Amino acid sequence: AQTVTQSQPEMSVQEAETVTLSCTYDTSESDYYLFWYKQPPSRQMILVIRQEAYKQQNATENRFSVNFQKAAKSFSLKISDSQLGDAAMYFCAYRGLNTDKLIFGTGTRLQVFP
Amino acid sequence: DTEVTQTPKHLVMGMTNKKSLKCEQHMGHRAMYWYKQKAKKPPELMFVYSYEKLSINESVPSRFSPECPNSSLLNLHLHALQPEDSALYLCASSLHLLTGAFYGYTFGSGTRLTVV
Repeated sequence: AQTVTQSQPEMSVQEAETVTLSCTYDTSESDYYLFWYKQPPSRQMILVIRQEAYKQQNATENRFSVNFQKAAKSFSLKISDSQLGDAAMYFCAYRGLNTDKLIFGTGTRLQVFP
Repeated sequence: DTEVTQTPKHLVMGMTNKKSLKCEQHMGHRAMYWYKQKAKKPPELMFVYSYEKLSINESVPSRFSPECPNSSLLNLHLHALQPEDSALYLCASSLHLLTGAFYGYTFGSGTRLTVV
């Protein structure tokens, strides 16, 4: 069975600085999708970034980028130029190609200080 | 329209009540999901509907009864709940996996349920 591990329950960063959130996963599949979701206090889960395992190029969305290391089964999220609005719970998630099920990690709470 | 709309946003119900949660999307997504989320925990999958048919039931107690009347609407009927069922209930939708590339779920903002 697939598992997703986020080893950092909490992280903090100064405004305008860069922070990296860690995620590792375990799977025997060769193709799959990985995601980072953000959940602010408003509760809505917001898709931050998506990576397809067969693409070696790391995904980037504005200030958000990932470091996808397929062999190491690692999928970290880098947030550059952190903003107060980035403060939220961040979940790493895995989805196989032939399943409807999204498997979440335990989450990392990010605090951003002015 | 790129939203998943959930109603109500908050619900307080007694253990003998019957209530329903509603979820609606107009993005043409053919897969819809119910998740339960306890405080400071990740969402846990409850049910998946694919093309209006129940495809996954994660061994959810029968006091939770899902319904998908059409491709845009998903309901969760609640009856005889327990206080431990108090949680945030999230609905999500996605393009069905058979359509090819998967772009992620679109989540609603949830219903905060309190059982008293």
